[in-house]
Amino acid sequence: EPEVTQTPSHQVTQMGQEVILRCVPISNHLYFYWYRQILGQKVEFLVSFYNNEISEKSEIFDDQFSVERPDGSNFTLKIRSTKLEDSAMYFCASSLRTGEDQPQHFGDGTRLSIL
Amino acid sequence: KQEVTQIPAALSVPEGENLVLNCSFTDSAIYNLQWFRQDPGKGLTSLLLIQSSQREQTSGRLNASLDKSSGRSTLYIAASQPGDSATYLCAPKGGRRALTFGSGTRLQVQP
Repeated sequence: EPEVTQTPSHQVTQMGQEVILRCVPISNHLYFYWYRQILGQKVEFLVSFYNNEISEKSEIFDDQFSVERPDGSNFTLKIRSTKLEDSAMYFCASSLRTGEDQPQHFGDGTRLSIL
Repeated sequence: KQEVTQIPAALSVPEGENLVLNCSFTDSAIYNLQWFRQDPGKGLTSLLLIQSSQREQTSGRLNASLDKSSGRSTLYIAASQPGDSATYLCAPKGGRRALTFGSGTRLQVQP
């Protein structure tokens, strides 16, 4: 069964450094998402992306965050200047469409640790 | 703003029991609701999606119900097994594309 893949599985970065998290969504999907889960807390929505532009973002997704689909298969989340509070598990998800019959499929996540 | 509550927060049952996990949400204007399973340190596995026009959805030993007007969904697990031990998350999707997650129910099935 097709799946969403994320790399790396664990990223350790010094505070203030830039980090790029990578995702390969399911190949025929058109909608892409990033969520994060701080340890012990709920999964929170960050951003959705369709047709090469952001379609929705949460208040968490401020100017230090950006997303990009650099080619036909990858979807990336960049954090420009990381802070300690950015430490979390970051999940990428994709869906074929956004209709009510369409599930979002999640990857296994990237654990980001900021030192 | 959508708020999602899951009760109980944790549940420990002996193998073979049937059990019910509850999810409530404050905004009934949803498109669908997904139930996920999360194993420790792992990603989210989609178990069931129930559309706003549906009352129930079944997959194997799992059955999800939805009462949109009262803002409730339940996940019924029949004949529980130790392999069912995980955290179960519900996530309604509103008019925007984002899912809103509950805190989950941590299930432990004792052999």
